[in-house]
Amino acid sequence: NAGVTQTPKFQVLKTGQSMTLQCAQDMNHNSMYWYRQDPGMGLRLIYYSASEGTTDKGEVPNGYNVSRLNKREFSLRLESAAPSQTSVYFCASSEFLGGRGKDTQYFGPGTRLTVL
Amino acid sequence: DQQVKQNSPSLSVQEGRISILNCDYTNSMFDYFLWYKKYPAEGPTFLISISSIKDKNEDGRFTVFLNKSAKHLSLHIVPSQPGDSAVYFCAASEAGNQFYFGTGTSLTVIP
Repeated sequence: NAGVTQTPKFQVLKTGQSMTLQCAQDMNHNSMYWYRQDPGMGLRLIYYSASEGTTDKGEVPNGYNVSRLNKREFSLRLESAAPSQTSVYFCASSEFLGGRGKDTQYFGPGTRLTVL
Repeated sequence: DQQVKQNSPSLSVQEGRISILNCDYTNSMFDYFLWYKKYPAEGPTFLISISSIKDKNEDGRFTVFLNKSAKHLSLHIVPSQPGDSAVYFCAASEAGNQFYFGTGTSLTVIP
């Protein structure tokens, strides 16, 4: 099992450009998440999808959109990138929202995004 | 406003000694807490969890303590090993909803 995979691993954008970060999981999980990690800020939830067909805003959704394409895939789109969106982005999945015990969230390896 | 705080950005410990990582939270409705470990260029991985109905949970060298009245949890690693060097995040959730993460503590275990 690959677990949670993310593409690309690295990306450099210019201000105003758009891009989509891809995430896929092969654990048949219902819930998927997008986080960003910034120095001194920890991990902050951008958007999540409790189950296929639903998406909800997290703590820091402004400037982002998401699509739960199917049960496996959850993409994050930046429509007009800004330098403030320079960050490391992590996708995660869990069997259910707020999964407990060892069925808590499994994270992908991250995408390092720089916006110039 | 940060609901989960880790006030120590870094910690250095000698191999074989105890590492104690601390975490404070503000939301008294949080009922589930976790610790994640993160190596550079990798995603966080689950380490240990505790429910609010307990005050201690142990898994091998790792023990998590929860003090609900103080809204404080801590992770003890005994004995510390060089492979434990990583960033540790605590996280909390309420009633099966989203998790809130702390800012992380970078642990260095000195051989």
